[in-house]
Amino acid sequence: TQLLEQSPQFLSIQEGENLTVYCNSSSVFSSLQWYRQEPGEGPVLLVTVVTGGEVKKLKRLTFQFGDARKDSSLHITAAQPGDTGLYLCAGAGNSNYQLIWGAGTKLIIKP
Amino acid sequence: SQTIHQWPATLVQPVGSPLSLECTVEGTSNPNLYWYRQAAGRGLQLLFYSVGIGQISSEVPQNLSASRPQDRQFILSSKKLLLSDSGFYLCAWSVQRDSGYTFGSGTRLTVV
Repeated sequence: TQLLEQSPQFLSIQEGENLTVYCNSSSVFSSLQWYRQEPGEGPVLLVTVVTGGEVKKLKRLTFQFGDARKDSSLHITAAQPGDTGLYLCAGAGNSNYQLIWGAGTKLIIKP
Repeated sequence: SQTIHQWPATLVQPVGSPLSLECTVEGTSNPNLYWYRQAAGRGLQLLFYSVGIGQISSEVPQNLSASRPQDRQFILSSKKLLLSDSGFYLCAWSVQRDSGYTFGSGTRLTVV
């Protein structure tokens, strides 16, 4: 069974600080996706990484896929209250149609 | 552009009553469709997925069923709701798994 362990589960920091969220597995994934979800809404896709070692930037968000394609990280620089939400990682594994989901990181940015 | 509609947004149902949640997709053909349930503030549990009309795969044995009567319509049903069926239900579609999923806005179901 493929698993994705996401950490930390909860993070509360002050506006302007930096943070990193991790997504780790012992399995190899063909791609890894990051989503952000606000309360009462569905998750929204932020980025997909497909190549080992790949780095993608989305404004203040930096996403990295591990060289072995078993792990990924999301780094936020100078966090803002608008970054508050639940961040989910999801990996494309052995199944052709399903994703393996991390349990999520609840992020709160205090002004 | 592609859009996904999911309704209702909120539903309160008594134990033992039936359930029907509907999801429709616009702007794409032959999408893969998914029903997920999410515990409060946590990850997603896949309930059903469908790769075509009438094709349903169930991931978790439970009190729920799904149907896909049309290419872009996905329905989640129950004949008799249990208290444990309460949760946040999300519909999603994808064309290719690696390109990501698009989610509906969800249905908050409370069984009382």
